[in-house]
Formats: sequence, C-alpha cells, structure tokens
Amino acid sequence: QQQVKQSPQSLIVQKGGIPIINCAYENTAFDYFPWYQQFPGKGPALLIAIRPDVSEKKEGRFTISFNKSAKQFSLHIMDSQPGDSATYFCAASKGGAGSYQLTFGKGTKLSVIP
Amino acid sequence: NAGVTQTPKFQVLKTGQSMTLQCAQDMNHEYMSWYRQDPGMGLRLIHYSVGAGITDQGEVPNGYNVSRSTTEDFPLRLLSAAPSQTSVYFCASSARAYGYTFGSGTRLTVV
Repeated sequence: QQQVKQSPQSLIVQKGGIPIINCAYENTAFDYFPWYQQFPGKGPALLIAIRPDVSEKKEGRFTISFNKSAKQFSLHIMDSQPGDSATYFCAASKGGAGSYQLTFGKGTKLSVIP
Repeated sequence: NAGVTQTPKFQVLKTGQSMTLQCAQDMNHEYMSWYRQDPGMGLRLIHYSVGAGITDQGEVPNGYNVSRSTTEDFPLRLLSAAPSQTSVYFCASSARAYGYTFGSGTRLTVV
C-alpha cells in the first residue's frame, strides 16, 4: 500500500514557468511533510517542509501548499530555472514515536528547458 | 565538516557474498537511517536508529542487519547478497526526528 502518492512522474517546463508537483496521503497521523531535491549522483537534500497547522509556506522561489481536509500537498517552483532540473520527492512522517520514519513518494523528474 | 560520509561509493558483489556498507556522521546527530532507492520506487526505509545501542526495522529490512555502537557510525550489513538487493543505498542523519541530511550514496550491484 503506497502511503504517499506523487504525481506527475515527469514534468517538462520552459524557463520562467511554474511547475507544480502534487502529493496525496492517506494516514491522518502524518504531521510533517518535507520536500527533497535530488540531483543525479547525489543524495536527496531537504528543500522545504510544512506542518498541517499552516496552509502555505514559502522559501525563496519554492512554495508548499497544504490542504488538510483533502489530504493533499503540493510544491510550486516560481520562475523556474534550468538549475532546478532535478528529481523531487515529497515525504511524510508521523509525530511521536514514528517521527523518524519518512515515507517517500516515488519522485518527479523535472526538466526546465532554457 | 564532512556531514554524512558513505563508503564505498560503488561495489559489485557476487550472489551469496556478504559485505558492510559504512556510514559515518560528524554532526553528533542522534537519529540515523538507511534507505534504498530503486527506479520508480522512491526511497524506502531499511533500518533506523534513535541513538547508540537502539535500532529498529523499517519498511524493507529483510536481508539486512544494522548495529549502532557509537553516535557517529551506523553500518549496514548485507548477510547474503541477492540480485534483488541491487540498488543505491543512502544513509541519513538528523539532530532531531526531522530534517534529515543524506549521504551521497553507495551504488551496489549484485551479480
């Protein structure tokens, strides 16, 4: 059973466009939702994270939107650049004793064309 | 400040061989985890540790063993390698349960 569903699998946008990556979860015990960015041959790096008590969080050109009632969250990249071309993973974890176990989506490969 | 260091970067094993993937962090982090990454599967948790002497199983623990004798080191042992264990393995650490820092990975091929 896939606990975090991510879409699309791949995405191609023009430079300056706003790619949107969506994730949905089933487990209402999840209370921490990070996004990771991974470049080829590298490990994932934490990009931005949100908790369900807020509906939106911005860090630079990256924004997470969170819809608790729909159990969905999404990543928006404003003014996308070729350097943003990477694979993006959403993830979720529970609070308390389960908080060290991240459950990842399957990833979205983003290509930003100059 | 090296962060999370994984060795080796690449390894080829024959079916049935055993080996240890090394992971070390110099940030005095309590939490450490091992993930495997397969194409189209995302990252799946193998084992994790919340401190020295404390380990537990993740989503895909079969065929792997871990121990945590020090805060810094968290080795992953493959007991008897199988082709299904061909993957990229990532070690990660965190000072708290969130915001993990990942190593650069070990690419393992089992033939």
